[in-house]
Amino acid sequence: AQKVTQAQTEISVVEKEDVTLDCVYETRDTTYYLFWYKQPPSGELVFLIRRNSFDEQNEISGRYSWNFQKSTSSFNFTITASQVVDSAVYFCALSDLNLNKFYFGSGTKLNVKP
Amino acid sequence: EPEVTQTPSHQVTQMGQEVILRCVPISNHLYFYWYRQILGQKVEFLVSFYNNEISEKSEIFDDQFSVERPDGSNFTLKIRSTKLEDSAMYFCASSGTRRTGLGEQYFGPGTRLTVT
Repeated sequence: AQKVTQAQTEISVVEKEDVTLDCVYETRDTTYYLFWYKQPPSGELVFLIRRNSFDEQNEISGRYSWNFQKSTSSFNFTITASQVVDSAVYFCALSDLNLNKFYFGSGTKLNVKP
Repeated sequence: EPEVTQTPSHQVTQMGQEVILRCVPISNHLYFYWYRQILGQKVEFLVSFYNNEISEKSEIFDDQFSVERPDGSNFTLKIRSTKLEDSAMYFCASSGTRRTGLGEQYFGPGTRLTVT
């Protein structure tokens, strides 16, 4: 079965703290994509990253970094030096390699306090 | 910057009525999607569309739902006979060009559907 689990429902941190959002997935596919999306309080969905299951290299983009561990079926997301503007709900998702069908986690709400 | 647009931003309808949610994807994109999000819950995939046909649909996307790309620019989601549980935010997304391949997904701002 295809499933994405985000066990952390809500996390609160103080500005400038680092925070890691966990994502664990299950899939019967040998190749697939993993994603992270941000949904700020305004409600829109913002694509953050797509990672191919072939590529286990960690990725860094500014204050954001992603750790993909195929052995543990995890795709964790770390925000370094968090800012108030990072406050949002973050969704992890899984799709087939043709991007035909998507499975979303239940989301983690991140509160960054000044 | 190109963007996906959706109309209306909010639609209120009575149970049993038909609704059509409209989306204008980014013009040279090839892949189109509808998702929904019941208030406070996770995002749920409804359907993907490529080359003028449905690529994949979820269990939610039953016979009451249909999608069309009638004129090469709009991408519509129709719900034939709305139910109370169809109340949700509906997001359209598009991605991929011939040059970039699958590319990044761009989401519209959503249409809030309220069924009374």
